[in-house]
Amino acid sequence: KQEVTQIPAALSVPEGENLVLNCSFTDSAIYNLQWFRQDPGKGLTSLLLIQSSQREQTSGRLNASLDKSSGRSTLYIAASQPGDSATYLCAVSGRDQGAQKLVFGQGTRLTINP
Amino acid sequence: DTEVTQTPKHLVMGMTNKKSLKCEQHMGHRAMYWYKQKAKKPPELMFVYSYEKLSINESVPSRFSPECPNSSLLNLHLHALQPEDSALYLCASSQGEGDQPQHFGDGTRLSIL
Repeated sequence: KQEVTQIPAALSVPEGENLVLNCSFTDSAIYNLQWFRQDPGKGLTSLLLIQSSQREQTSGRLNASLDKSSGRSTLYIAASQPGDSATYLCAVSGRDQGAQKLVFGQGTRLTINP
Repeated sequence: DTEVTQTPKHLVMGMTNKKSLKCEQHMGHRAMYWYKQKAKKPPELMFVYSYEKLSINESVPSRFSPECPNSSLLNLHLHALQPEDSALYLCASSQGEGDQPQHFGDGTRLSIL
């Protein structure tokens, strides 16, 4: 059974710092990995999706990497801003549970201090 | 603004009421999803519709009844809910199979009295 873990559970950094969020998964037979952000009381916003054949994806100040063999992904946020404060979730779809079923990590609650 | 629209944003109902949650998308997506999210927890998949047919039911109690009237609309009919069903209910859509990103609405905050 696929399990997804995110470390740390919470992170607080001053504005302007570069930071890395971590995601690990137990079954490397995945179709893709997706990073989301969730603001309090809101839905999920898709940030990046990495297909299993890809190593990384970039969007603006965000860069996500995927190492399928080791079961790890990282989300790199450059030059952090207070507006980046949110909960960040990673999710994988895999051959075991089916392409449409996402298995989520518990999330990292990020706070950027002005 | 989200491209997946959910109504209502908030709903308070008694355990004997019948209500419905609605979800709409106009992105031409052919897969639509219902998730349940409890406070400080990740979303949990409930149902998946692909091409207007129910493809996944995650052993959800029958007091939750999904419906997909057409490719743009998804409903969740609620009846005889329990207090533990209070949660944020999220709808999502994707172009088709699992290699495309899922796009989420802002959810309906449901409270059962």
